[in-house]
Amino acid sequence: SYVLTQPPSVSVAPGQTARITCGGDKIGSKSVHWYHQKPGQAPVLVVYDDSDRPSGIPERFSGSNSGNTATLTISRVEAGDEADYYCQVWDSTYDPAVFGGGTKLTVL
Amino acid sequence: QVQLVQSGAEMKKPGASMKVSCKASGYTFIDYDLYWVRQAPGQGLEWMGLINPKSGGTNSAQKFQGRVTMTRDTSINTAYLELTTLTSDDTAVYYCARDGPTVTTPYFDFWGQGTLVTVSS
Repeated sequence: SYVLTQPPSVSVAPGQTARITCGGDKIGSKSVHWYHQKPGQAPVLVVYDDSDRPSGIPERFSGSNSGNTATLTISRVEAGDEADYYCQVWDSTYDPAVFGGGTKLTVL
Repeated sequence: QVQLVQSGAEMKKPGASMKVSCKASGYTFIDYDLYWVRQAPGQGLEWMGLINPKSGGTNSAQKFQGRVTMTRDTSINTAYLELTTLTSDDTAVYYCARDGPTVTTPYFDFWGQGTLVTVSS
């Protein structure tokens, strides 16, 4: 089955840029989607199709995808961005919807 | 606005079955696939399966096949997830989520609030 690998944690100071990676075999050939989840809440879509943002998501959130790594970039990080972040792809070979293990973003 | 409203928390004994509902509003129910995702305490997200509300067709993750049933009632815009032969490993928050509108690959643009199912003797 297809595996997505995320770092367990990323820490960043307010106002700085956070980069959360999602590794997978030839992930650049897939569409990658990103969610954030705050404690006790449902996940929220923040980036879809590698780099598109749903309405209501700030421009500070951006995505890229190439080779074996997709990246979610959060510019000018705010305290409210502190959450768990999950990447997701669709892989038709086994169980189609695959999630990364999640990355806890801590704002220092 | 799109809303997915799920049924309330459940407590189940090992070996029992659970059934969670997900009522959709704010869009045409049969136009978007609905997915089920669960999250065990302190763990990540796990895809369970999907239902096409128009046809009723389903696809479930390998590990749940034989134990999971996904259905829908289009007259009340509601989807259901049933899981049988529960064990403590099934203790989790269960989410329904709607497929996004683009034609690339599925993603989940709206989520229900989650339903906590606790399996304990």
